[in-house]
Amino acid sequence: DAGVIQSPRHEVTEMGQEVTLRCKPISGHDYLFWYRQTMMRGLELLIYFNNNVPIDDSGMPEDRFSAKMPNASFSTLKIQPSEPRDSAVYFCASSATGTGIYYYGYTFGSGTRLTVV
Amino acid sequence: SQELEQSPQSLIVQEGKNLTINCTSSKTLYGLYWYKQKYGEGLIFLMMLQKGGEEKSHEKITAKLDEKKQQSSLHITASQPSHAGIYLCGAPQKGGNKLVFGAGTILRVKS
Repeated sequence: DAGVIQSPRHEVTEMGQEVTLRCKPISGHDYLFWYRQTMMRGLELLIYFNNNVPIDDSGMPEDRFSAKMPNASFSTLKIQPSEPRDSAVYFCASSATGTGIYYYGYTFGSGTRLTVV
Repeated sequence: SQELEQSPQSLIVQEGKNLTINCTSSKTLYGLYWYKQKYGEGLIFLMMLQKGGEEKSHEKITAKLDEKKQQSSLHITASQPSHAGIYLCGAPQKGGNKLVFGAGTILRVKS
């Protein structure tokens, strides 16, 4: 298995532009999570899905952030408009109900490093 | 909401030395995960502890869970440069799949 795949690895954009981050979870995993990591706030959960349905989006910082999961193999996190304070590393992770989370935890992608200038 | 405090925030050890990282929760623990992260990369799952008193080992890394103290410790024996990185603890929320993470401990190993 290729693991959780995120794209792009790096993104530099100008303030005000729309940014779309992409994630392909591990096949068969029914949970998908979006996290943001910064030096100041550490690793924060933004939103998570179960069977493509958003379950908890209480961590989404503002209306500028939105996430979708149109099918079991793809999810996007969109920021529109982007601001410098959105600069961070964004991680996607997936897990499976049952034995998955208790034996293997989440499987994280390599992350997308976003810089908004 | 639950908070996890990790200590120390960072440490530098000489290769071959032992070290311990602690993770203390502000609320009841329903399990505890340890992850390792290298700069610019994702988190790698190390191990998961489910029950109070549980202890697991993998190669030279041992983790223990003290449910009563709401605390877990990660111990590395005879550290090597390959152990360098950021160690994060994560706690699942009651009844759910959400993980809350500590701020991380940065480990540097001098050879």
